[in-house]
Amino acid sequence: RKEVEQDPGPFNVPEGATVAFNCTYSNSASQSFFWYRQDCRKEPKLLMSVYSSGNEDGRFTAQLNRASQYISLLIRDSKLSDSATYLCVVNGNTGRRALTFGSGTRLQVQP
Amino acid sequence: DAGITQSPRYKITETGRQVTLMCHQTWSHSYMFWYRQDLGHGLRLIYYSAAADITDKGEVPDGYVVSRSKTENFPLTLESATRSQTSVYFCASSDRGETQYFGPGTRLLVL
Repeated sequence: RKEVEQDPGPFNVPEGATVAFNCTYSNSASQSFFWYRQDCRKEPKLLMSVYSSGNEDGRFTAQLNRASQYISLLIRDSKLSDSATYLCVVNGNTGRRALTFGSGTRLQVQP
Repeated sequence: DAGITQSPRYKITETGRQVTLMCHQTWSHSYMFWYRQDLGHGLRLIYYSAAADITDKGEVPDGYVVSRSKTENFPLTLESATRSQTSVYFCASSDRGETQYFGPGTRLLVL
């Protein structure tokens, strides 16, 4: 079983739609959670951290459910520029500060 | 402000050759990381470093060597390249090991 699992997609949605991605993680001792965005053939970039109480950044809302060990990302009012791969990322608290990445969920927003 | 850079951006080599990928960051971040990204596997940690002269293995270290004599540089060497090491390599740095900032990547093809 992978440490971080995501539905690879692709999710094809029209502009203006609301789309949600989920990911699950296996290490219950994980301490930190993130969503990164990766555009085609580019480096990953931090989209947002995920906090236990849930957090919002503009059109993006992230939620964490520790009991079920899943993380979600909600994108409202999708824009063409949101088309990318979204990586669910977990810090497993192994003491080495390294992140464990999911394989990513691809989003394609269509006009 | 260069941030984090990698060189070369593209490299073609032959099986058995030694290859060194360079990574340089201008932020004086303590932590630096090397990942490889392959289809179906997402990003996997090769090696990381918590400070100059401190390095440790990640998930897939076999066939790779790293050094960190200066805080700003973290070269990755493939001692004897194999076809299975064809991949995209990303270097990342972090101030405290949480949020990581990635370089643009090096695309390596081993023939």
